[in-house]
Amino acid sequence: AQSVAQPEDQVNVAEGNPLTVKCTYSVSGNPYLFWYVQYPNRGLQFLLKYITGDNLVKGSYGFEAEFNKSQTSFHLKKPSALVSDSALYFCAVRPGSARQLTFGSGTQLTVLP
Amino acid sequence: GAGVSQSPSNKVTEKGKDVELRCDPISGHTALYWYRQSLGQGLEFLIYFQGNSAPDKSGLPSDRFSAERTGGSVSTLTIQRTQQEDSAVYLCASSFRDSNYGYTFGSGTRLTVV
Repeated sequence: AQSVAQPEDQVNVAEGNPLTVKCTYSVSGNPYLFWYVQYPNRGLQFLLKYITGDNLVKGSYGFEAEFNKSQTSFHLKKPSALVSDSALYFCAVRPGSARQLTFGSGTQLTVLP
Repeated sequence: GAGVSQSPSNKVTEKGKDVELRCDPISGHTALYWYRQSLGQGLEFLIYFQGNSAPDKSGLPSDRFSAERTGGSVSTLTIQRTQQEDSAVYLCASSFRDSNYGYTFGSGTRLTVV
């Protein structure tokens, strides 16, 4: 069975500093990987995805993620954090054989002014 | 519609009552998913519809939960004889064909069982 781990419940970073939100996964076969963001009282919004190709994926709002097959990781990054990036971030994986996504438990990102 | 619409946005119900949650997906999206988000938890998959195929019900936590999708569009999630542990935010998402294209989520229904 597939699984996703987000080892940090909470990440705090100062505005202007780079941020990283970690995600590791376990899945049979080639994974399809996703990041979503959830702002308070809102639904989840799609940020970016990795299906195949270049290991560095660029997404919305200046976010990017790097697929690392040997480390089974898909960490979310941004070079310079904004206070408005503060939100709950979810990593998700879909193995090739499944149709639905399996989500991690989420990481609360707080960007301090 | 422009997005995935869920109703009601909030629902408070008494333990033992039945509730119905509605999801109206994006027009043209053939795939529809229900997830549950409990406080401090990740998203728990409940059920998946794709076109006219039989739904994947593997995530439904008990036989008190059921869902249907009429005409390949609107979906209703029904919880019978609600329990306090059913309190959560129920999220609906739709996508074109399957999740390779990413989901579009609704804002959810916050269910509170008292």
